[in-house]
Amino acid sequence: DAGVIQSPRHEVTEMGQEVTLRCKPISGHDYLFWYRQTMMRGLELLIYFNNNVPIDDSGMPEDRFSAKMPNASFSTLKIQPSEPRDSAVYFCASSSLSPETQYFGPGTRLLVL
Amino acid sequence: QKEVEQDPGPLSVPEGAIVSLNCTYSNSAFQYFMWYRQYSRKGPELLMYTYSSGNKEDGRFTAQVDKSSKYISLFIRDSQPSDSATYLCAMEDYGQNFVFGPGTRLSVLP
Repeated sequence: DAGVIQSPRHEVTEMGQEVTLRCKPISGHDYLFWYRQTMMRGLELLIYFNNNVPIDDSGMPEDRFSAKMPNASFSTLKIQPSEPRDSAVYFCASSSLSPETQYFGPGTRLLVL
Repeated sequence: QKEVEQDPGPLSVPEGAIVSLNCTYSNSAFQYFMWYRQYSRKGPELLMYTYSSGNKEDGRFTAQVDKSSKYISLFIRDSQPSDSATYLCAMEDYGQNFVFGPGTRLSVLP
């Protein structure tokens, strides 16, 4: 299996632009998680899905952030409009059966200028 | 007080040493305890996963959970330069509230 796939791996954009991050979970996994990692705040859970349904989005910082999972093999995290403070590494992770054992993707490094 | 605390390091040890990494937490509802390893510019990788209190061993790695003290540990025996990474503890309660520690940066010197 190729593992969790994220795209793009790097994104540089200007403040105010829309950013869309993509994730393909491991086939057969029921859970999908979106995280954000910064030096100041560490790894933060933004939202997670179970069987394509959002279960907990309490970590989503504000209305500028939205996430969707239209099917079992694809999810997006969108930021609109983007701000410099959104600069971070965004990770997607998936797990099967139990959410404790998560497999992380390589991350998307986002820089908002 | 943060929900999960972890010494950020860096922790430098000579090759072959026994390494002890620790986390403390405040939420007594946490039941699942995980350790992840993160190499520079990579995603975290699950190392160990334990439920409730007790010990779990996997090769050179041993995870310990002491719920009475709200304290968890990861021990690495015969440490290798390839173990140099950031180690993140993570915890979850039955309500699926996931929290990661800030991570400890470990450097194993050859």
